Amino acid sequence: KQEVTQIPAALSVPEGENLVLNCSFTDSAIYNLQWFRQDPGKGLTSLLLIQSSQREQTSGRLNASLDKSSGRSTLYIAASQPGDSATYLCAVLSHDYKLSFGAGTTVTVRA
Amino acid sequence: DTGVSQDPRHKITKRGQNVTFRCDPISEHNRLYWYRQTLGQGPEFLTYFQNEAQLEKSRLLSDRFSAERPKGSFSTLEIQRTEQGDSAMYLCASSPGTSGTREQYFGPGTRLTVT
Repeated sequence: KQEVTQIPAALSVPEGENLVLNCSFTDSAIYNLQWFRQDPGKGLTSLLLIQSSQREQTSGRLNASLDKSSGRSTLYIAASQPGDSATYLCAVLSHDYKLSFGAGTTVTVRA
Repeated sequence: DTGVSQDPRHKITKRGQNVTFRCDPISEHNRLYWYRQTLGQGPEFLTYFQNEAQLEKSRLLSDRFSAERPKGSFSTLEIQRTEQGDSAMYLCASSPGTSGTREQYFGPGTRLTVT
């Protein structure tokens, strides 16, 4: 069974600082990995998707890396803003089409 | 098409009542998934459909839960004799199937509160 772990569980930084969120998974036989954002009480917003053959993806201030062999992904958010405050979820898609999620990292960016 | 939609967005029910949720996927997507998310946790897989066929069910899906996808379009998730432990966010997602990125697109969720 795929196990996904996110560290840290919570993070508080001053505005302007870069954010580094970590995700690890136990089974490297994945199809892809997605990073999502979730605001309190809301659904999931997809941020980045990395195919298993890729090493990284970038979108604006966001950059995600994937090291499939070691079972790790990192999400970098540059120059954080108060609007980046949310919970960030990592999920891996196995070849059986099921997404396995971590418990998330809750980020607070202080103005 | 504006994405995956779910109805209702919020449901409050008393213990022992039955509830039904609806999910409308992106129209050209033939795969549809249900997940459940409890407070402070990531979503957990419940079941998924390819067209109208239900291909897998999680052990989390007790016999009080049933899901259908008639005609391979919208899907319903019914919970019978609700319990307080059923209180959660129920999320639906769809994907275009076996080709491409297999990215799953999520709806806004239905938040269930059982009192």
